Amino acid sequence: DTGVSQDPRHKITKRGQNVTFRCDPISEHNRLYWYRQTLGQGPEFLTYFQNEAQLEKSRLLSDRFSAERPKGSFSTLEIQRTEQGDSAMYLCASTNHILTLVLDTEAFFGQGTRLTVV
Amino acid sequence: GQQVMQIPQYQHVQEGEDFTTYCNSSTTLSNIQWYKQRPGGHPVFLIQLVKSGEVKKQKRLTFQFGEAKKNSSLHITATQTTDVGTYFCAGEVNNAGNMLTFGGGTRLMVKP
Repeated sequence: DTGVSQDPRHKITKRGQNVTFRCDPISEHNRLYWYRQTLGQGPEFLTYFQNEAQLEKSRLLSDRFSAERPKGSFSTLEIQRTEQGDSAMYLCASTNHILTLVLDTEAFFGQGTRLTVV
Repeated sequence: GQQVMQIPQYQHVQEGEDFTTYCNSSTTLSNIQWYKQRPGGHPVFLIQLVKSGEVKKQKRLTFQFGEAKKNSSLHITATQTTDVGTYFCAGEVNNAGNMLTFGGGTRLMVKP
């Protein structure tokens, strides 16, 4: 499978627990994005990486959220001390920006991790 | 901050009828993208528009980018049940490919 994969697909956790999600982008893609989507809304940007460097973080991202992409391949998103308001679908997407002269920023999304905080 | 609004939020149509969703940005965009998300699925890229006034067609789908690069529309001719899903526009401000600002989406339901 050459698409973006995310693990787990579903996660139920108790309030206050920590959770970690994983995203494996398309292998040749150098950019990786995290978005959050709640029911009936469009995806909201959280953060993105160019290779292993985290280049931008949304103001929406509280200190309880941290993301890494240590080797420029897969990425993890950790939420500490989860709250009920964190319940959402967490989407990962990747793009290929090697050919930067071409405006070709199509984002390939994974299936998402649905988090439920009880 | 930048906001992207979409109307309508929902649209029910009879199969064979046309459908249009409209997207408006509070700021000028470098490009706009459209995605489709089926129920229970993830967003799937449809198209990207870059030039002012650009019109692109994909079979029964017609996409337009406004002259001021602040609005866009997606029109589907003669809807089919396979068109069911939520259509999102997503704007990019600076061509750097660093983030997309999504609209709230228009959920299309098609009655056979």
